[in-house]
Amino acid sequence: EAEVAQSPRYKITEKSQAVAFWCDPISGHATLYWYRQILGQGPELLVQFQDESVVDDSQLPKDRFSAERLKGVDSTLKIQPAELGDSAMYLCASSITGTGIYEQYFGPGTRLTVT
Amino acid sequence: AQSVTQLGSHVSVSEGALVLLRCNYSSSVPPYLFWYVQYPNQGLQLLLKYTSAATLVKGINGFEAEFKKSETSFHLTKPSAHMSDAAEYFCAVSDPFSGGYNKLIFGAGTRLAVHP
Repeated sequence: EAEVAQSPRYKITEKSQAVAFWCDPISGHATLYWYRQILGQGPELLVQFQDESVVDDSQLPKDRFSAERLKGVDSTLKIQPAELGDSAMYLCASSITGTGIYEQYFGPGTRLTVT
Repeated sequence: AQSVTQLGSHVSVSEGALVLLRCNYSSSVPPYLFWYVQYPNQGLQLLLKYTSAATLVKGINGFEAEFKKSETSFHLTKPSAHMSDAAEYFCAVSDPFSGGYNKLIFGAGTRLAVHP
């Protein structure tokens, strides 16, 4: 069964350092999502891609966060510099694209701890 | 703006007892509604979804949910809890008129504990 892959699964970094997360969606899924899930809360959408284009980044802290999906397949989310408040689970999801509502398939996530 | 409220951050039931997890939504248009489950240190898995067809939706693992427009609710139930149901459950809403962008708004989650 096809799955969304994410790496690393766990990351510990010191504040002010740079950190990057990688996501490989299910093959054929044109839409890719990055979510942040703070402990005890539900996931919050950070950025959404359709193919290589960003369609929603309204909740992305653009002063320190960046995301790219250069060839419309895998994606990288970067934080520079990391802050203590960035400690969270970062989830990637993918779905097919169309006019309906399609299931989002989630990866296992990357748990980030900033010290 | 859309929002989701999950009543009860923690719910504890005995094995074999009824599971009831509550979800209320706020939306200016009839939304699409979802329940996801998350096991420790894992991603989210879709349990079921409501997309304006039947109001009673059956999902995986014996779960079901009923859409009640008059109560703006979409509560999740399971007749008999199993130990393996212990996990975090999230209700989510999507605006069907959001331009096809499929954006989900999640509730804060309910942690379900099942004891022998």
